[in-house]
Amino acid sequence: DMKVTQMPRYLIKRMGENVLLECGQDMSHETMYWYRQDPGLGLQLIYISYDVDSNSEGDIPKGYRVSRKKREHFSLILDSAKTNQTSVYFCASSFPSLGGSSYEQYFGPGTRLTVL
Amino acid sequence: GDSVTQTEGQVTVSESKSLIINCTYSATSIAYPNLFWYVRYPGEGLQLLLKVITAGQKGSSRGFEATYNKETTSFHLQKASVQESDSAVYYCALSENYNVLYFGSGTKLTVEP
Repeated sequence: DMKVTQMPRYLIKRMGENVLLECGQDMSHETMYWYRQDPGLGLQLIYISYDVDSNSEGDIPKGYRVSRKKREHFSLILDSAKTNQTSVYFCASSFPSLGGSSYEQYFGPGTRLTVL
Repeated sequence: GDSVTQTEGQVTVSESKSLIINCTYSATSIAYPNLFWYVRYPGEGLQLLLKVITAGQKGSSRGFEATYNKETTSFHLQKASVQESDSAVYYCALSENYNVLYFGSGTKLTVEP
């Protein structure tokens, strides 16, 4: 069963606290992603990981870091969370692109993070 | 940079009526990016609805269609007859480097019985 899981689904934190969002996939995909979505905006790429310990910044990496020690697991870390990091966070995975076409990205259900 | 515009945030359609959700795009690096429609049902992650990689071609899935129009840089989503089960949020997206997707803001479709 092709699946991307995210934990937790809902999280409330106070400003300055550390946040850990977890993502797992069971498809052996090399590439994994973290996005955030704010009201009225599309999903924005935070980080992309091409494989274990091979991570690259996306469009909005400031205030975030990631960790990928196993192919099936990708974590997003907020050190000292800020109120403007309140958002819905989506994890996704895919096979790496080859040739001139993109592979489908598979998404998790999202984590709604509120920073007070 | 790359961008995708969906002008309607919400659309309400009666069951069995036709639907069109507008999408226009702007790609900076290559002339013909890959174009996608993703759908998100309540409580679930986004899932690919259809994809077109060649300008002028049409993609279709589950009764939905979208044509890649390079002249108008549009990729509108259409369905001839919607059902209640089509109620969801629809996202248009483009990819230039084949790993990174740029998404529109999404259009929430509500189908009324």
